[in-house]
Amino acid sequence: DQQVKQNSPSLSVQEGRISILNCDYTNSMFDYFLWYKKYPAEGPTFLISISSIKDKNEDGRFTVFLNKSAKHLSLHIVPSQPGDSAVYFCAASPVITTDSWGKLQFGAGTQVVVTP
Amino acid sequence: DAGVIQSPRHEVTEMGQEVTLRCKPISGHNSLFWYRQTMMRGLELLIYFNNNVPIDDSGMPEDRFSAKMPNASFSTLKIQPSEPRDSAVYFCASSLAGATDTQYFGPGTRLTVL
Repeated sequence: DQQVKQNSPSLSVQEGRISILNCDYTNSMFDYFLWYKKYPAEGPTFLISISSIKDKNEDGRFTVFLNKSAKHLSLHIVPSQPGDSAVYFCAASPVITTDSWGKLQFGAGTQVVVTP
Repeated sequence: DAGVIQSPRHEVTEMGQEVTLRCKPISGHNSLFWYRQTMMRGLELLIYFNNNVPIDDSGMPEDRFSAKMPNASFSTLKIQPSEPRDSAVYFCASSLAGATDTQYFGPGTRLTVL
């Protein structure tokens, strides 16, 4: 079953505006969350991450917000640029225990198109 | 560094044929992952190796799939016999220090089984 869900398969935004990508998860054992970006014919590349002890992490134009009570995270891109057009994957990994090695679970991805 | 290298980049084969996908992880990385991407299921982990040892193969679909890592610089994913439903993009990824470290993905192999 899908433990990480990205309910919006696509998003179109104008250059210069904010892009907001959403991700929901169901497993309360997840404690580390990541966003990956993927261009066509390339593999995903790591973009930004957040630990469950934080509710916000910022890196340049990219900010990830985590709402643990709602089991929801979002990625904000401000301002959006044409080079940001890509598929964005949300991913989560659980607390490492004797039974769990920290396997990443990915969402299905959101296609972002930034128009001039 | 050259990054994770995968070959071939594209593979078209007929149902029933054996398919072998290859991966060379980043030098010095001790963890290797094989993923499959499909429209229906998104990106799903097939198998995870740590120090050349398979740690989790619960994502391998069935006995037709097998993976090996004979040394730190090479891994293969084999499908025998292949079926049309195996058509997907297969990614290999490696990380420096285990499953929780940043994973670096290769460009993928697009497999089409006719």
